[in-house]
Amino acid sequence: QKEVEQDPGPLSVPEGAIVSLNCTYSNSAFQYFMWYRQYSRKGPELLMYTYSSGNKEDGRFTAQVDKSSKYISLFIRDSQPSDSATYLCAMSARGSARQLTFGSGTQLTVLP
Amino acid sequence: EPEVTQTPSHQVTQMGQEVILRCVPISNHLYFYWYRQILGQKVEFLVSFYNNEISEKSEIFDDQFSVERPDGSNFTLKIRSTKLEDSAMYFCASSEGVFSGANVLTFGAGSRLTVL
Repeated sequence: QKEVEQDPGPLSVPEGAIVSLNCTYSNSAFQYFMWYRQYSRKGPELLMYTYSSGNKEDGRFTAQVDKSSKYISLFIRDSQPSDSATYLCAMSARGSARQLTFGSGTQLTVLP
Repeated sequence: EPEVTQTPSHQVTQMGQEVILRCVPISNHLYFYWYRQILGQKVEFLVSFYNNEISEKSEIFDDQFSVERPDGSNFTLKIRSTKLEDSAMYFCASSEGVFSGANVLTFGAGSRLTVL
């Protein structure tokens, strides 16, 4: 079983739709969970950061972590064409907190 | 907004040659990293660096790789004898100090290495 699994997509939605992106993981030591956005030919850019289980909201973005199910989600409300990018989940463990393990990324296209 | 700067953006080299990829991290950051992304694959951790020494490294980071902070601003990744499978996008990243508690890594735009 891969340590972090992410549906690669591609995912195509109309403008204004709610987007749900998900990752599952197998390592119960993961405590820190992040979502990065990566535009073509650019480095990953941090969107959301959460510690342990729970929800976190930032504008149109909501991150959810369910450690009991080893499942994390990113919701994008009122999606915009500028949200079109690859979304990467990443996580790390206490004691090795800066060594991120990434998912494979989900390619999202928001159609105007 | 502060950013991590990487050079070159693209380097083409012959197998067996040495390559140095350069990075200027964000000035007040204390942790530095190299990650790589082979085309079509995941972003993978290579190494983290703090207080002028390696703090963590992955299995990928073998003896052909080395990192250095030669001065107060640059952070370099050297690949001693490149192999075809070293072709990838190499990302430098930096983050704040030990006690911030945050794993907020800021990534550069990457250096694409093509080994022929």
